[in-house]
Amino acid sequence: GAVVSQHPSWVICKSGTSVKIECRSLDFQATTMFWYRQFPKQSLMLMATSNEGSKATYEQGVEKDKFLINHASLTLSTLTVTSAHPEDSSFYICSAPRTGGGSDGYTFGSGTRLTVV
Amino acid sequence: SQQGEEDPQALSIQEGENATMNCSYKTSINNLQWYRQNSGRGLVHLILIRSNEREKHSGRLRVTLDTSKKSSSLLITASRAADTASYFCAPLTGFQKLVFGTGTRLLVSP
Repeated sequence: GAVVSQHPSWVICKSGTSVKIECRSLDFQATTMFWYRQFPKQSLMLMATSNEGSKATYEQGVEKDKFLINHASLTLSTLTVTSAHPEDSSFYICSAPRTGGGSDGYTFGSGTRLTVV
Repeated sequence: SQQGEEDPQALSIQEGENATMNCSYKTSINNLQWYRQNSGRGLVHLILIRSNEREKHSGRLRVTLDTSKKSSSLLITASRAADTASYFCAPLTGFQKLVFGTGTRLLVSP
């Protein structure tokens, strides 16, 4: 149980275009979703926290106008990379607590490999 | 939020050997979780140990927790090539955002 489905698994886009990444909780309600970015051979960097029905909270240094996060329902959170540039190429991963409070661990999406050309 | 610091950064062993990796943290916790990340994939939750537990087992995994030393260890017994991955610990105090250290990169050679 507690599965997060992330799509697409990989995407290639042209500079200047926007890309939307979706994370859906399949068998539980995800009131909170965390979004991470990971560069090759590096650890996961937390970008933002989204809460259903409210504005996302961004980590320091993350441009909220560039990385638009929407969490309109208890089962869907989206990250849109706007006006993408090659430096946005990265691996993006979402995560949600399995149960309220995360006391039973967190479940992760399978990740999205974004390549901006 | 606090992140754990995994040690060693890299570990290379042969199949059948045991692999031990360690995690240190700075402030008191409610629980500590271990995750695995295969290359190019999301993280998989392996095991959770609560602050009042000292040891926990799950299959070939054994986790210990020493709250006095603020450290934890993950032992993988009889390792397999499929165990090749990066391993991360996450020390937690209540509900909080997960932040990660650099992890331990484990390479298990056939």
